[in-house]
Amino acid sequence: DAKTTQPTSMDCAEGRAANLPCNHSTISGNEYVYWYRQIHSQGPQYIIHGLKNNETNEMASLIITEDRKSSTLILPHATLRDTAVYYCIVSSIQGAQKLVFGQGTRLTINP
Amino acid sequence: EAGVVQSPRYKIIEKKQPVAFWCNPISGHNTLYWYLQNLGQGPELLIRYENEEAVDDSQLPKDRFSAERLKGVDSTLKIQPAELGDSAVYLCASSLGGASNTGELFFGEGSRLTVL
Repeated sequence: DAKTTQPTSMDCAEGRAANLPCNHSTISGNEYVYWYRQIHSQGPQYIIHGLKNNETNEMASLIITEDRKSSTLILPHATLRDTAVYYCIVSSIQGAQKLVFGQGTRLTINP
Repeated sequence: EAGVVQSPRYKIIEKKQPVAFWCNPISGHNTLYWYLQNLGQGPELLIRYENEEAVDDSQLPKDRFSAERLKGVDSTLKIQPAELGDSAVYLCASSLGGASNTGELFFGEGSRLTVL
């Protein structure tokens, strides 16, 4: 599976949009981009995934560049409860049965 | 609907003692995973079950770790004997298997093990 690169940490003000970048320059044509987050003392939580089109759900939006080498997770109106470690993972659907988590981005939402 | 349930949440043991963790996946989920998470790191897969069959246990240290999923529902992860380096959080996850798989895993809250 392709490797991802994420910033170690980010800060965002409460109520503003949080934009979390992820680079995945070696992504293959059949690989999806998955985002999970992990709030302190909890297990990881699925957020969203996409192949090449932008995706939106009740939690976030996923913007994937046209060349698919990078993506951005957008939390449109960040709240204090969004403070967590955010993991960007690239995997095929078949390989998604063995998701490989990196170290992620520690996002801190400040009041 | 109940999520993935794990127990115990916390366990403190002396080194060389045995320990066991239990996981009850979401009803109807055929795939069950055990992950290990060290402090400050992302989770690492230990073993994956499809129903009662362990289909990927390549990362499970088989000299001291064992797992089972009898009847393809609940699962138990055991460590015997425990070592200091086994102190970590053990996460269980489940997902729809086979053709229904979308890569969306549902995790439990984890079992935090401290080995003294």
